[in-house]
Amino acid sequence: GNSVTQMEGPVTLSEEAFLTINCTYTATGYPSLFWYVQYPGEGLQLLLKATKADDKGSNKGFEATYRKETTSFHLEKGSVQVSDSAVYFCALKGYGGSQGNLIFGKGTKLSVKP
Amino acid sequence: GAGVSQSPSNKVTEKGKDVELRCDPISGHTALYWYRQRLGQGLEFLIYFQGNSAPDKSGLPSDRFSAERTGESVSTLTIQRTQQEDSAVYLCASSLEVGRGEQFFGPGTRLTVL
Repeated sequence: GNSVTQMEGPVTLSEEAFLTINCTYTATGYPSLFWYVQYPGEGLQLLLKATKADDKGSNKGFEATYRKETTSFHLEKGSVQVSDSAVYFCALKGYGGSQGNLIFGKGTKLSVKP
Repeated sequence: GAGVSQSPSNKVTEKGKDVELRCDPISGHTALYWYRQRLGQGLEFLIYFQGNSAPDKSGLPSDRFSAERTGESVSTLTIQRTQQEDSAVYLCASSLEVGRGEQFFGPGTRLTVL
């Protein structure tokens, strides 16, 4: 079945450091891929998405490229800020089908220190 | 406009009691999803509604769990005879249609079973 594996945290970085959070997936067909973010005390929010191979999703300085050859969707940001401290979830939605539910990784907690 | 809301935000109950969790989706969203997030785990899909219909209940963890939706609006997730392993954050999301459009998440209900 479909599944998502992302690097375990917590990840602690200093402000302005480079961030990579790895995410790989297993899926049949052509899933859509997502990164969601959960800031402290808030609900999950969509950060970025990509719907086909080689697409790059980007938002708020974060980027992730849909790599079908390596079944990966790694999240990157060139210079993190304290306000980026949150839990990040990689997710996929299967192609076709009728459910439309998302399949999530376990989440990676990021703490950015000033 | 208003986002997805859930109530209560926190619920503490004793083992064996029944609980009801409520979700108010975004107005006009026909699709509604319930997920569960246990400590240290990713989000686990439970059930979805298209309108008032839940075509597939196989994601519910046991027959103690049930859900309904009325008026293509409010949904209630009921857990009967709660067990300690039911302790989790229960998240609700809605989207325009099943499988289409971004899923918007509510803030969740944190359930603690003593």
